[in-house]
Amino acid sequence: GQNIDQPTEMTATEGAIVQINCTYQTSGFNGLFWYQQHAGEAPTFLSYNVLDGLEEKGRFSSFLSRSKGYSYLLLKELQMKDSASYLCAVRLHTGGFKTIFGAGTRLFVKA
Amino acid sequence: DTEVTQTPKHLVMGMTNKKSLKCEQHMGHRAMYWYKQKAKKPPELMFVYSYEKLSINESVPSRFSPECPNSSLLNLHLHALQPEDSALYLCASSHAGLAGGPNQETQYFGPGTRLLVL
Repeated sequence: GQNIDQPTEMTATEGAIVQINCTYQTSGFNGLFWYQQHAGEAPTFLSYNVLDGLEEKGRFSSFLSRSKGYSYLLLKELQMKDSASYLCAVRLHTGGFKTIFGAGTRLFVKA
Repeated sequence: DTEVTQTPKHLVMGMTNKKSLKCEQHMGHRAMYWYKQKAKKPPELMFVYSYEKLSINESVPSRFSPECPNSSLLNLHLHALQPEDSALYLCASSHAGLAGGPNQETQYFGPGTRLLVL
């Protein structure tokens, strides 16, 4: 079976750093994505990792360890607008284009 | 242009109605997707089209019928839906390269159609 685990909710303070973890057990792996989704809106792409290591993009960084089935999304200098759900998604190596999503982590940024 | 558009934004339909959801992209993507998302749940894949051919059907009931008339358009025809089918329906597109890197793998989502079945 396919399984992606993320914490349900997290709270952090404006200006701080927060790390959102994701663990996965999937039959095949061909990349891991992080998406941001504000309530009532579509997911928007944040980052993509297919090799082990850290990918940095502005205030957002994403890390992957394939041997551990583990990723995290690091958000620095938190802003109120970062309050959203963060979805971890794994693209399966099925020869098709199947991506499965975790349940998402709802992040609340407080002043 | 990195936009995926969907119409309508909202749809209310009875269980005997027939309606269609539409999705359009002009990014040259050859893979297009339909997802269903219930409140506070992740998107669930329904269908994938690759080069205008259906490549994945996630055992979706036949009351949902996808159609890909050309490389820019994706439709979802709805007939005899149930109240539990009420959800946000998201369309997405991506490049269809088999060995692609990040830009080819990334799915771009439309704003969704919020469907209510009465």
